[in-house]
Amino acid sequence: GQQVMQIPQYQHVQEGEDFTTYCNSSTTLSNIQWYKQRPGGHPVFLIQLVKSGEVKKQKRLTFQFGEAKKNSSLHITATQTTDVGTYFCAGPEGGNKLVFGAGTILRVKS
Amino acid sequence: GAVVSQHPSRVICKSGTSVKIECRSLDFQATTMFWYRQFPKQSLMLMATSNEGSKATYEQGVEKDKFLINHASLTLSTLTVTSAHPEDSSFYICSASLGRAGELFFGEGSRLTVL
Repeated sequence: GQQVMQIPQYQHVQEGEDFTTYCNSSTTLSNIQWYKQRPGGHPVFLIQLVKSGEVKKQKRLTFQFGEAKKNSSLHITATQTTDVGTYFCAGPEGGNKLVFGAGTILRVKS
Repeated sequence: GAVVSQHPSRVICKSGTSVKIECRSLDFQATTMFWYRQFPKQSLMLMATSNEGSKATYEQGVEKDKFLINHASLTLSTLTVTSAHPEDSSFYICSASLGRAGELFFGEGSRLTVL
């Protein structure tokens, strides 16, 4: 079945530093989604990318979808303590299922 | 966005008992809901797809007799962990989508601890 790999597993940054997490799929994706899960919370949808080479921004967050639609990245500029959590990418499989990456745990030191 | 509510948020039970977790879509109808399981600091593992009015579709390796799923209405799906054992202790999360392969709206999750 489809595999979605995500790195790094864990990142600890100083407040104000940038952060990036990368996602790689074994197959071409029709779209890719990103979710954030705060400690003790549930995943919350951030964004969906559909087009090859697409770049979307949400304030300090920049999302990219690769030209081949097999990889994606989430970049956070100047991290803040509110950015703490686990970031997951997810790709569709078999129509309406989502396969999640392993997630990247972000910790921010103030 | 759509709201999905899950209950209970925490449950502690004795080994051998059964536990039912409810997942409700509060402001939309969900013909399909998804049940995930999450171990500490790990990813979300899809357990099964719950289909309103029909049998759930289980992922490979998930025991359907162990994890009973019922989706009797367009707003409610239930997951029953039967004869729970300590290894069933986990965070169970349900989700639903407004459309095919669209964004998922997650419930708050249910943390099960089996003693």
